[in-house]
Amino acid sequence: KAGVTQTPRYLIKTRGQQVTLSCSPISGHRSVSWYQQTPGQGLQFLFEYFSETQRNKGNFPGRFSGRQFSNSRSEMNVSTLELGDSALYLCASSPGLAGGPYDQETQYFGPGTRLLVL
Amino acid sequence: SQQGEEDPQALSIQEGENATMNCSYKTSINNLQWYRQNSGRGLVHLILIRSNEREKHSGRLRVTLDTSKKSSSLLITASRAADTASYFCALNSGGSNYKLTFGKGTLLTVNP
Repeated sequence: KAGVTQTPRYLIKTRGQQVTLSCSPISGHRSVSWYQQTPGQGLQFLFEYFSETQRNKGNFPGRFSGRQFSNSRSEMNVSTLELGDSALYLCASSPGLAGGPYDQETQYFGPGTRLLVL
Repeated sequence: SQQGEEDPQALSIQEGENATMNCSYKTSINNLQWYRQNSGRGLVHLILIRSNEREKHSGRLRVTLDTSKKSSSLLITASRAADTASYFCALNSGGSNYKLTFGKGTLLTVNP
């Protein structure tokens, strides 16, 4: 079975630019969450989408935004990049509903997008 | 905010030995999950234990949960070099099942 895919895998940007990252969840999963991982702050929750609606949001500035499409694919956008935005961005999907072969409460992570801001 | 704290931060053992990692937290939880991460790559889900459960097993993994002490432990038996990775506990505090709060992790090194 295909897992969670993220594109691109690596990205280099300069300060002030914006970036869009993409995540394709496991087929049939309707919930997509995004996390930022840095050496200093560890893994931090950004936001979660379910059926095209943002259900939860972490404590990140408004420069971080996301959306989810009708096919459950999700994108996150970071505008006006700062050096501190350099991180591994992880996407995770969950069924969002009980039943099926996947545990409803488990999050299945993609390989991540490593963003470097210069 | 609610965050698990893993202990120890780093652990180095020989192949064949058992490895134990602990996670402590401060508020009530709906469930607690353990994940593994190899060299800054994606996280792999290992096991989920609910607040009304005390112990779960999966292959060489054994997880315990003591809600009165607000702590959990992950035991890896008969470790292998391939178990070398960072291990994270993640807390779900209810509300939404899809928001996890991660600790800083334990870096496990298994020497061949």
